Amino acid sequence: SQKIEQNSEALNIQEGKTATLTCNYTNYSPAYLQWYRQDPGRGPVFLLLIRENEKEKRKERLKVTFDTTLKQSLFHITASQPADSATYLCALGIRQGAQKLVFGQGTRLTINP
Amino acid sequence: NAGVMQNPRHLVRRRGQEARLRCSPMKGHSHVYWYRQLPEEGLKFMVYLQKENIIDESGMPKERFSAEFPKEGPSILRIQQVVRGDSAAYFCASSSGGELSGNTIYFGEGSWLTVV
Repeated sequence: SQKIEQNSEALNIQEGKTATLTCNYTNYSPAYLQWYRQDPGRGPVFLLLIRENEKEKRKERLKVTFDTTLKQSLFHITASQPADSATYLCALGIRQGAQKLVFGQGTRLTINP
Repeated sequence: NAGVMQNPRHLVRRRGQEARLRCSPMKGHSHVYWYRQLPEEGLKFMVYLQKENIIDESGMPKERFSAEFPKEGPSILRIQQVVRGDSAAYFCASSSGGELSGNTIYFGEGSWLTVV
């Protein structure tokens, strides 16, 4: 069956450290993968997109890797800050006739001062 | 994120009533998507529309739910005869294209429906 899983429901990290979130999937062939941030009571905010033929993407303190062999994406936040505390969502852009995102459950990240 | 406008932000309906949720996409975007987020669950795709056309409604419940994106005006998600299980956050998103190369999809702030 098709699944997309984010490694943990909640992650606590000390301020200044690197937070690493994992997204694994099975039985999908995504054309691309996106990461979003969602704060309580708000909509998802787009962070990064990485295509199937790309290995790594960076944006400021964010880095995403995409390994289509392992069927895994890693999302890193370096020099983490309390303001980075939020839920982070992984979403696959899948080939099913039209553009459609399949979301993971999200990981709730807390950065402790 | 601020570019996709949804209203109302919060809606309370009694069982059996109708709920209408509106979405204006970002300027220049002609592709609209609706997603639902149930409490403690991930976002689930419902429907993908372009102006006057439903492209993919594979995630829509077969009954009571409908969506439209008319030539003029916002996209509407309509839920008839609401039940308690319809209580959820409904997110609208838009993009400039629907190609699989990955046009970024931007989300609105959501409409929170509570059925009492």
